Amino acid sequence: AQTVTQSQPEMSVQEAETVTLSCTYDTSESDYYLFWYKQPPSRQMILVIRQEAYKQQNATENRFSVNFQKAAKSFSLKISDSQLGDAAMYFCAYRSALTGGGNKLTFGTGTQLKVEL
Amino acid sequence: DVKVTQSSRYLVKRTGEKVFLECVQDMDHENMFWYRQDPGLGLRLIYFSYDVKMKEKGDIPEGYSVSREKKERFSLILESASTNQTSMYLCASSETGYRNEQFFGPGTRLTVL
Repeated sequence: AQTVTQSQPEMSVQEAETVTLSCTYDTSESDYYLFWYKQPPSRQMILVIRQEAYKQQNATENRFSVNFQKAAKSFSLKISDSQLGDAAMYFCAYRSALTGGGNKLTFGTGTQLKVEL
Repeated sequence: DVKVTQSSRYLVKRTGEKVFLECVQDMDHENMFWYRQDPGLGLRLIYFSYDVKMKEKGDIPEGYSVSREKKERFSLILESASTNQTSMYLCASSETGYRNEQFFGPGTRLTVL
């Protein structure tokens, strides 16, 4: 079974600075998808960014980018020019390409990001 | 925009009661999911459904059942609520295909007294 580990329960960043959230995962599969989800205080979870395992190029979405190291099984999220609205719980998630039926996600335990003035 | 709605934001029930949590999605998604979210444990999958009347157990199905009679609606049932089922419950839906993201509802905070 796959596992996802987020070793930083809480992180803080100053507004306009850059912060990196860590995520590692364990799998024996070669084809899979990785996701970062954001859960603001209002609780609606939204997708931040996704990465296909067979793509070597790191995904980027505006101020959000990932550092995907397949051999190390690492998938960190970098937030540049942090804004107050980035304050949220961030979850890393894994999905196997081999899973039959459903597209199940395996989530990490989350990192609470605080943005300070 | 995809919308996933859940019947209640907050719910308080008593031990032993039968509890229904309802989830509706409006994008004709094949897959629907129920997760439980607890501090320090992240999201854990309770059940999912990949088609009407089809269901599969997730990682923590004990004490729960589900129903999917219509494509847009997925219900989570606590047959006899217990205090250890006090939690945040999140519903999600997605199209088939492992590239596709899951869209989440706002969550239901259930307290069992």
